[in-house]
Amino acid sequence: DQQVKQNSPSLSVQEGRISILNCDYTNSMFDYFLWYKKYPAEGPTFLISISSIKDKNEDGRFTVFLNKSAKHLSLHIVPSQPGDSAVYFCAASERDDKIIFGKGTRLHILP
Amino acid sequence: DAGITQSPRHKVTETGTPVTLRCHQTENHRYMYWYRQDPGHGLRLIHYSYGVKDTDKGEVSDGYSVSRSKTEDFLLTLESATSSQTSVYFCAISETSGGPRETQYFGPGTRLLVL
Repeated sequence: DQQVKQNSPSLSVQEGRISILNCDYTNSMFDYFLWYKKYPAEGPTFLISISSIKDKNEDGRFTVFLNKSAKHLSLHIVPSQPGDSAVYFCAASERDDKIIFGKGTRLHILP
Repeated sequence: DAGITQSPRHKVTETGTPVTLRCHQTENHRYMYWYRQDPGHGLRLIHYSYGVKDTDKGEVSDGYSVSRSKTEDFLLTLESATSSQTSVYFCAISETSGGPRETQYFGPGTRLLVL
């Protein structure tokens, strides 16, 4: 039973445009959300996070939006660059419990 | 980059063979984790440790055991490897002051093939 769902296995976006990666969750007790980025043959790296007391967090080209009523979060990358091509994992945790990861979305940035 | 190494990086073994994967950190972080990554499943937590000799199970712990006798080393053992344990294994660490919600830093991964 998946608690963190990334329903799009892959996404292709033109370079320079906005990339929007979506994530849904089922556990209303989740109060902390993270995005990780993974290149082939490397370990995931932390990208950005958001607490449930916020609805937006921004870091440079990356912005995460949280809609608690819809149990939905999204990662926006603007503008998209070739180096953004990677697998993106959405993750969530409840209080100080373990982090639960989604299955990931592979982002392709097209030249 | 956080100082995390995993060994071996690649391993091929036969069904029924015991296998031990090692994670070594130089950051003195309290928490250490073992994940496996499989197509269609993302990252799933196998076991984690919150201190020397303190470990707990994750969501896919069956068939795996762990040990942490020193802060810097976290070992994952497959007592009798099965083909379903073919996967890429990642170790991760997080800082002393926080709990599991602290940013986790991942190692480079170990690719295991069980024939």
